[in-house]
Amino acid sequence: NAGVTQTPKFRILKIGQSMTLQCTQDMNHNYMYWYRQDPGMGLKLIYYSVGAGITDKGEVPNGYNVSRSTTEDFPLRLELAAPSQTSVYFCASRASGNTIYFGEGSWLTVV
Amino acid sequence: KNQVEQSPQSLIILEGKNCTLQCNYTVSPFSNLRWYKQDTGRGPVSLTIMTFSENTKSNGRYTATLDADTKQSSLHITASQLSDSASYICVVSAMDSSYKLIFGSGTRLLVRP
Repeated sequence: NAGVTQTPKFRILKIGQSMTLQCTQDMNHNYMYWYRQDPGMGLKLIYYSVGAGITDKGEVPNGYNVSRSTTEDFPLRLELAAPSQTSVYFCASRASGNTIYFGEGSWLTVV
Repeated sequence: KNQVEQSPQSLIILEGKNCTLQCNYTVSPFSNLRWYKQDTGRGPVSLTIMTFSENTKSNGRYTATLDADTKQSSLHITASQLSDSASYICVVSAMDSSYKLIFGSGTRLLVRP
């Protein structure tokens, strides 16, 4: 049982490039989330999903896209990367209960 | 506006000492409050979850309290250890949309030998 797994751990992107942050969980959780954490700030919700085939915007969705074709996977796509997207990204999941499990984070720098 | 504010921003204590971290929130209607520990370079890990009717909850040397009337919570760490050095994040969710968690910016704790 690996929990929530994110890849890559670190990535440097050039302005205008695109990339996908991968997230997979092996706990059969319906709910999955993507957050970003800027230095000294609280986590902010980018997108979330309540089940396969269902996604919705969070607080800061601009510049990102997601898909949820399976229960396990919830990739986050960055199109046309901008310096403002330099941040640490966390994927998380939960079952119907309240405990949320976070991945280890993905450090993204856009230069 | 739903907000969660934590104090202090940072704290340094000696190993073996106790400390208390504070969390004030304006989230309404309130659903639950969570405390997370985030080690440097890692994802947050859940410490406690409290609903409206719970005043206190413990997890080993960590004890969280909740006063829903004053909208305040505290996290008390007893007999601190070097491994307690981390950021502690208060997270509140609203009744109307439990997926929306409002995160505080955290208290960075450093335990020195």
